[in-house]
Amino acid sequence: KNQVEQSPQSLIILEGKNCTLQCNYTVSPFSNLRWYKQDTGRGPVSLTIMTFSENTKSNGRYTATLDADTKQSSLHITASQLSDSASYICVRGSTLGRLYFGRGTQLTVWP
Amino acid sequence: DTEVTQTPKHLVMGMTNKKSLKCEQHMGHRAMYWYKQKAKKPPELMFVYSYEKLSINESVPSRFSPECPNSSLLNLHLHALQPEDSALYLCASSQLTLTGIVENTEAFFGQGTRLTVV
Repeated sequence: KNQVEQSPQSLIILEGKNCTLQCNYTVSPFSNLRWYKQDTGRGPVSLTIMTFSENTKSNGRYTATLDADTKQSSLHITASQLSDSASYICVRGSTLGRLYFGRGTQLTVWP
Repeated sequence: DTEVTQTPKHLVMGMTNKKSLKCEQHMGHRAMYWYKQKAKKPPELMFVYSYEKLSINESVPSRFSPECPNSSLLNLHLHALQPEDSALYLCASSQLTLTGIVENTEAFFGQGTRLTVV
């Protein structure tokens, strides 16, 4: 059973608009909760890392939130750009560096 | 330099071939990883090396053989693969803290090797 569930599976937005991606995790405690961006056929690129004691973390136009009580995280993207089109993956970090990846949300930004 | 370099970018091999995937980083990271990613699926951990020693093997078949010859290099030796082993193979690295903890450090991924077994 996947420990990380993401929604929506895919999302299409217009350039310049904001969007929010959701992540639910089922196992705690955990070491950290991460968001990665992955272009097709490329390696994932880290956007944010939050420990369980952090509520929010920003990286430019990306803002991640974490609610340890409800076991939910979100990634908010502001002022979307065409280059934001990619898969956004929520990842639970565990012991010894293990990373448990969600299936990702495929974001498409249209001009 | 925050790059993890993987070679080759693409590899086609027969089921009787022996080949190797290579991964290199010069960030001083002492934890290195191999992941396998099938199309439209999340990456799955295969192996973890800490201080050049194998610390995790996620029950990977023996036709995959990892090697960490030094702190900058990680290899994955392939032998007698099956067509279902075709996938994107990703290498990653991360810092180890002074106490050997890696949990909350950022993992840097390479661009991957697209492997096709015919």
